[in-house]
Amino acid sequence: AQSVTQLGSHVSVSEGALVLLRCNYSSSVPPYLFWYVQYPNQGLQLLLKYTSAATLVKGINGFEAEFKKSETSFHLTKPSAHMSDAAEYFCAVSEGDDKIIFGKGTRLHILP
Amino acid sequence: GAVVSQHPSWVICKSGTSVKIECRSLDFQATTMFWYRQFPKQSLMLMATSNEGSKATYEQGVEKDKFLINHASLTLSTLTVTSAHPEDSSFYICSARKQGAQQYFGPGTRLTVT
Repeated sequence: AQSVTQLGSHVSVSEGALVLLRCNYSSSVPPYLFWYVQYPNQGLQLLLKYTSAATLVKGINGFEAEFKKSETSFHLTKPSAHMSDAAEYFCAVSEGDDKIIFGKGTRLHILP
Repeated sequence: GAVVSQHPSWVICKSGTSVKIECRSLDFQATTMFWYRQFPKQSLMLMATSNEGSKATYEQGVEKDKFLINHASLTLSTLTVTSAHPEDSSFYICSARKQGAQQYFGPGTRLTVT
């Protein structure tokens, strides 16, 4: 069965600092992997997705993630945090069917 | 493009009543729509998957008689919470997908049952 583990329910970084949100997955087949962002009382916006092409995936708003099969990881990074990046981030996995399994989420706090 | 709307954005209802939530794909035809439930500070849990013109497929543990899903057209799916109780209070999010494409999520509906 597929699953997603996000390390750290809360992460705080200073404005301008590196953002690193960790995600590990479990899947019995080559997975599709996603990162979504959710602002308060809003739906989810897709940041980026991995679908077995390039292992380094670039997304919107300066975010990127690297698929590492040997580590079963798909960590999300951004070189320089901005105040507007404060939100909830969800890592998710799919085995190519319609079902997307979400992690528990990581709330990103940006310190001025 | 690929905008999904939900109506209402929030609703308060009394225990024992039913409430309907609409999910619309505004600029594309959605062959499949999904309904998720999100508890405070928690992740999204898939409730059901619906394809236009056919019965919804519910996830294990989701009461199909309580959460009625109708996908009558390629742009509209509805979720009706029947005989709502306070424990049904949650944030309900829909998503829509056209053939072979990614899921696009709606803004969510916050349901409070008093």
